[in-house]
Amino acid sequence: DAKTTQPPSMDCAEGRAANLPCNHSTISGNEYVYWYRQIHSQGPQYIIHGLKNNETNEMASLIITEDRKSSTLILPHATLRDTAVYYCIVAGTGTASKLTFGTGTRLQVTL
Amino acid sequence: DTGVSQDPRHKITKRGQNVTFRCDPISEHNRLYWYRQTLGQGPEFLTYFQNEAQLEKSRLLSDRFSAERPKGSFSTLEIQRTEQGDSAMYLCASSYLTGNYGYTFGSGTRLTVV
Repeated sequence: DAKTTQPPSMDCAEGRAANLPCNHSTISGNEYVYWYRQIHSQGPQYIIHGLKNNETNEMASLIITEDRKSSTLILPHATLRDTAVYYCIVAGTGTASKLTFGTGTRLQVTL
Repeated sequence: DTGVSQDPRHKITKRGQNVTFRCDPISEHNRLYWYRQTLGQGPEFLTYFQNEAQLEKSRLLSDRFSAERPKGSFSTLEIQRTEQGDSAMYLCASSYLTGNYGYTFGSGTRLTVV
């Protein structure tokens, strides 16, 4: 699985968009980009995933560059409840592939 | 289904004792995963099952660790002769075999070895 690089921490004001970057320069053509988050003392929660095209769901948007070497997770209107560690993971095709977590980005949403 | 359930939520044990954790996945999910997470680190893969077959084990899973998933339903993770280094959060997740729906994780079992 390709390795990912994320900033260790970020701050965001409540109500503003949170943009979390991820570099995955060694991603293979059949590997997806997955985002999970982990709120303190809970298990990780799936947010979104994508292959090439930008994706949006009720939680977030995922923007993947054309060369697929980096991506950005966007939380459009961050709330205090979005304070968590966000993990960017690159994994093979389909849900069944093993996920390899890094240390993620700790997002702190403040008033 | 209300999600992936893990039991117990917390376990404190003395070094050298055996412990067993249980995971009940989402019933329609074919795959079940065990991860371990220590403070400040992301979850580390331990093993996974497809139905009742254990298909992969990490080298982190020493001989003291054993996992089962009888009949492809719930799973247990046993640690024999616990050591202080086994103190961690043990996370279970489940997923469909095909399609891209992501993993669903449980809330984990926090093990403290004293």
